[in-house]
Amino acid sequence: DGGITQSPKYLFRKEGQNVTLSCEQNLNHDAMYWYRQDPGQGLRLIYYSQIVNDFQKGDIAEGYSVSREKKESFPLTVTSAQKNPTAFYLCASVSLAKNIQYFGAGTRLSVL
Amino acid sequence: AQSVTQLDSHVSVSEGTPVLLRCNYSSSYSPSLFWYVQHPNKGLQLLLKYTSAATLVKGINGFEAEFKKSETSFHLTKPSAHMSDAAEYFCVVSVGSTLGRLYFGRGTQLTVWP
Repeated sequence: DGGITQSPKYLFRKEGQNVTLSCEQNLNHDAMYWYRQDPGQGLRLIYYSQIVNDFQKGDIAEGYSVSREKKESFPLTVTSAQKNPTAFYLCASVSLAKNIQYFGAGTRLSVL
Repeated sequence: AQSVTQLDSHVSVSEGTPVLLRCNYSSSYSPSLFWYVQHPNKGLQLLLKYTSAATLVKGINGFEAEFKKSETSFHLTKPSAHMSDAAEYFCVVSVGSTLGRLYFGRGTQLTVWP
């Protein structure tokens, strides 16, 4: 089945710890995106990547980092600099031909 | 600049009655407009998409939306609500300045009463 896989489903972070959220897609999409979702705020863009080895900051990139070494993978690291990391994180990839974004099932991050 | 305003944060309807979720947008370019649905603790699923081919767009699960340029609106409707429609709905705009870049409304939580 083609799709976007995010793991883990739930993640807990200790104070001062970096954690990495995984996002893998087998849709052969060039562009991938990371969003953060907080209650009542919709989705806010953290980072996006339109091609391998290139990525751009979104609206709330501070405290986050990404890499794009392979077309299929776009991991997000939540660093200790992110002081309020508790949120639902969604990864998406886009079919540029159809101009449609497809979403993974999300990772819920909480702070211990 | 692009923005999306969903006019209601919560909408409650009885099963079998019509659904109306309101959305206004602002865009400097000819926009593509979308409605996505999100069930609790799930990712987003595309309901429908407008790209200027027709102003009335039909989506999945009986939903449809009408693009009104003069009112800068893209309201989502369904003639008869079902219990399974209870979810959060997002109105979204995409513009050509950055391919695939989406701007989300804050969401409307739809409750369906039996």
